[in-house]
Amino acid sequence: AQSVTQLGSHVSVSEGALVLLRCNYSSSVPPYLFWYVQYPNQGLQLLLKYTTGATLVKGINGFEAEFKKSETSFHLTKPSAHMSDAAEYFCAVSDARGSTLGRLYFGRGTQLTVWP
Amino acid sequence: GAVVSQHPSRVICKSGTSVKIECRSLDFQATTMFWYRQFPKQSLMLMATSNEGSKATYEQGVEKDKFLINHASLTLSTLTVTSAHPEDSSFYICSAISRLGNEKLFFGSGTQLSVL
Repeated sequence: AQSVTQLGSHVSVSEGALVLLRCNYSSSVPPYLFWYVQYPNQGLQLLLKYTTGATLVKGINGFEAEFKKSETSFHLTKPSAHMSDAAEYFCAVSDARGSTLGRLYFGRGTQLTVWP
Repeated sequence: GAVVSQHPSRVICKSGTSVKIECRSLDFQATTMFWYRQFPKQSLMLMATSNEGSKATYEQGVEKDKFLINHASLTLSTLTVTSAHPEDSSFYICSAISRLGNEKLFFGSGTQLSVL
């Protein structure tokens, strides 16, 4: 079975500081991993995803994440936080390919607050 | 880019009534659509998987007679919450997989259902 654990339901950083959002997963097969962002009153938007190949994945808005199989982690980072990064972030895992790729298992989410 | 339109974005209804939520893929054909439910401060939980022209597959614990899913075409899936009760109040989100060959996943903007 697949599951995702996001450590820390709330993370606060100052503008310009490093953002680190933690995600650990459990999967019985090689996973596909995703980070989604949800701004207030909006739907989910894909930040980045890991499927195969390079373990360091770059996404939109300056975010990146590294797949570490040995640690079963997929932490999300951004070198310098911006006020517009304040949102809810969800890590998700999928163990399926093909037509069931969209079946995702989500973490509980991490609310990122950015202070001026 | 591909867009998934979800309507309505917000609905308030009386207990006992039924509510229909639509999920449309606007510029692509979706072989599969997924319906998720998100409780406040919690993660998204997959409710069901909907394939065009066939019956939806429901996750364990989801009442199929209460949450009716119809996927009549490659661009439209509907979720009907029948005889809604206050405990059904939640944020419902759909997603769709493009059959363009790249199997990209797109999310709708969600529907906030409030049952009085």
